[in-house]
Amino acid sequence: DAMVIQNPRYQVTQFGKPVTLSCSQTLNHNVMYWYQQKSSQAPKLLFHYYDKDFNNEADTPDNFQSRRPNTSFCFLDIRSPGLGDAAMYLCATSRDLAGGINEQYFGPGTRLTVT
Amino acid sequence: DAKTTQPNSMESNEEEPVHLPCNHSTISGTDYIHWYRQLPSQGPEYVIHGLTSNVNNRMASLAIAEDRKSSTLILHRATLRDAAVYYCILRDRSGGSNYKLTFGKGTLLTVNP
Repeated sequence: DAMVIQNPRYQVTQFGKPVTLSCSQTLNHNVMYWYQQKSSQAPKLLFHYYDKDFNNEADTPDNFQSRRPNTSFCFLDIRSPGLGDAAMYLCATSRDLAGGINEQYFGPGTRLTVT
Repeated sequence: DAKTTQPNSMESNEEEPVHLPCNHSTISGTDYIHWYRQLPSQGPEYVIHGLTSNVNNRMASLAIAEDRKSSTLILHRATLRDAAVYYCILRDRSGGSNYKLTFGKGTLLTVNP
């Protein structure tokens, strides 16, 4: 009964070759987030969707894009992966945006390796 | 988001209580105190949150100081499965950037058998 599912769990791509990571949720939550977590660091938000509204963090590189075709699915596209993009990518959801009371539910993450 | 300070690491023995401290001396009146944990090779997991009063749930208890400048996450009986990085995060209920979790370095909890 997984609630936030990420596929694949491990992804290997080549330098400069576009890659797409997938996330789906069974919670019917309005908000979906993508975080990046590099080795031995804390997760850092890249962007989020509130319903169909996309919100980019100011310091997220243009190389990272996202799509949310419906409530359940969200994709992270890395247009030209560099070696520095190797990381764990975490998808999360929340019912709403109000941070004080809405907890976030995370998937298990996709570990991306760039060769 | 207001900053929090946590010890880098703590160690506990299995089946003993664990008290994980967090200092947040610049907390504002509208900040909730949230705790998340991240087990090895997994995504973070919500643990508990509170505003002013102490809180209990099936995972843990949260004790909040009267002046709200510090809090303590209490695991009543640590198990090996509780070994994780524990993050204390302040989230403003009044708006701004409260939609996101701003993770600090957290506390790495080691549980000895």
